[in-house]
Amino acid sequence: DSGVTQTPKHLITATGQRVTLRCSPRSGDLSVYWYQQSLDQGLQFLIQYYNGEERAKGNILERFSAQQFPDLHSELNLSSLELGDSALYFCASSEQGLSGNTIYFGEGSWLTVV
Amino acid sequence: AQSVTQPDIHITVSEGASLELRCNYSYGATPYLFWYVQSPGQGLQLLLKYFSGDTLVQGIKGFEAEFKRSQSSFNLRKPSVHWSDAAEYFCAVGGSAGGTSYGKLTFGQGTILTVHP
Repeated sequence: DSGVTQTPKHLITATGQRVTLRCSPRSGDLSVYWYQQSLDQGLQFLIQYYNGEERAKGNILERFSAQQFPDLHSELNLSSLELGDSALYFCASSEQGLSGNTIYFGEGSWLTVV
Repeated sequence: AQSVTQPDIHITVSEGASLELRCNYSYGATPYLFWYVQSPGQGLQLLLKYFSGDTLVQGIKGFEAEFKRSQSSFNLRKPSVHWSDAAEYFCAVGGSAGGTSYGKLTFGQGTILTVHP
């Protein structure tokens, strides 16, 4: 158990819908990362937050957004869903969000868009 | 831009045999390097990491990896594989000290390990 908690574990939704994935980082970790894992793209970095502020952005679509709340939990919002958004979405956390910090991953949220 | 290549998509070994999973990275400076393992339906578990110093790094579950700067490689090894090692293995590179990657990792495409009894 990494200490990173993600909900829901599985989610099935229809195209055009909107979903929210939730993440609680490890106790004491200030930085949260979101990754998408799909068969064709592999593990792709989406976005990073540190203590409530966006720190780095990767290949995140405009239909996707995220935020980190004062209690440090984070949410990833996916809207206007398409079939191609079906993937495993990982949340991860690290202590300071700096290079060299060990990043701990949750078990992921499986999203299926039908 | 940093990148990671894992040349082997799928490797099959017999239980008790030795294992080497290859990883090549591209990065301008000395990077931070990681190996993660993902079992079916599970998250990513950190096996080991290299930051600096001794180029041979020991990890959990009997794994080790060697950083070779001249070859831009960070290969993962295990002297004797157990059936429970069957999983997908990911090599990842992060930024070096003082860099601006802010800790995010770039992953390779993964290597699926099958272990035959």
